[in-house]
Amino acid sequence: GDSVTQMEGPVTLSEEAFLTINCTYTATGYPSLFWYVQYPGEGLQLLLKATKADDKGSNKGFEATYRKETTSFHLEKGSVQVSDSAVYFCALSDRGADKLIFGTGTRLQVFP
Amino acid sequence: GAGVSQSPSNKVTEKGKDVELRCDPISGHTALYWYRQSLGQGLEFLIYFQGNSAPDKSGLPSDRFSAERTGGSVSTLTIQRTQQEDSAVYLCASSSTGGSSNQPQHFGDGTRLSIL
Repeated sequence: GDSVTQMEGPVTLSEEAFLTINCTYTATGYPSLFWYVQYPGEGLQLLLKATKADDKGSNKGFEATYRKETTSFHLEKGSVQVSDSAVYFCALSDRGADKLIFGTGTRLQVFP
Repeated sequence: GAGVSQSPSNKVTEKGKDVELRCDPISGHTALYWYRQSLGQGLEFLIYFQGNSAPDKSGLPSDRFSAERTGGSVSTLTIQRTQQEDSAVYLCASSSTGGSSNQPQHFGDGTRLSIL
């Protein structure tokens, strides 16, 4: 079945460091890909999405590119801030299916 | 309201009791989803509603779990004869159309369920 694998956390960085959180997927069709973020004490929020190969999703300085050849959707940010500390979830939705399939989440901790 | 509203925010109950969790989606959203977030299992899909019907119930873990949606709006997730392994955060999401490939799902803050 479809699945999402993302890197184990926690990821600990200093402010202004470069961030990469790896995400790879397995899907039978042509999924849409998402990154969701959960800030402390808050609900899940959509961070960015990409619906087809080579699309780049971006928001709040975060970017991820849909790579069909490597079945990946890695999240990157050039300069993280303390306020980016949160749990990040990679997810997919296969066309014709409505549910989201999530990775296990990666906790990011950014220190000043 | 502006977002997806879930109630109660916290629920503590004894093993064997029944519980009802409520979700109020964003006004006008036809699609509604229930997920469960637990330490051992991560985020799992439970059930999807399009209007009042549930075309995908594949994630419900046992026949103790049921859900309904009325008036194309509010949904209730019911867990009968609760077990300790049911302890989790139950999340509800809605989107403006079915097919999350096109429209993002907006999540509520969840109901934290603890079974003693």
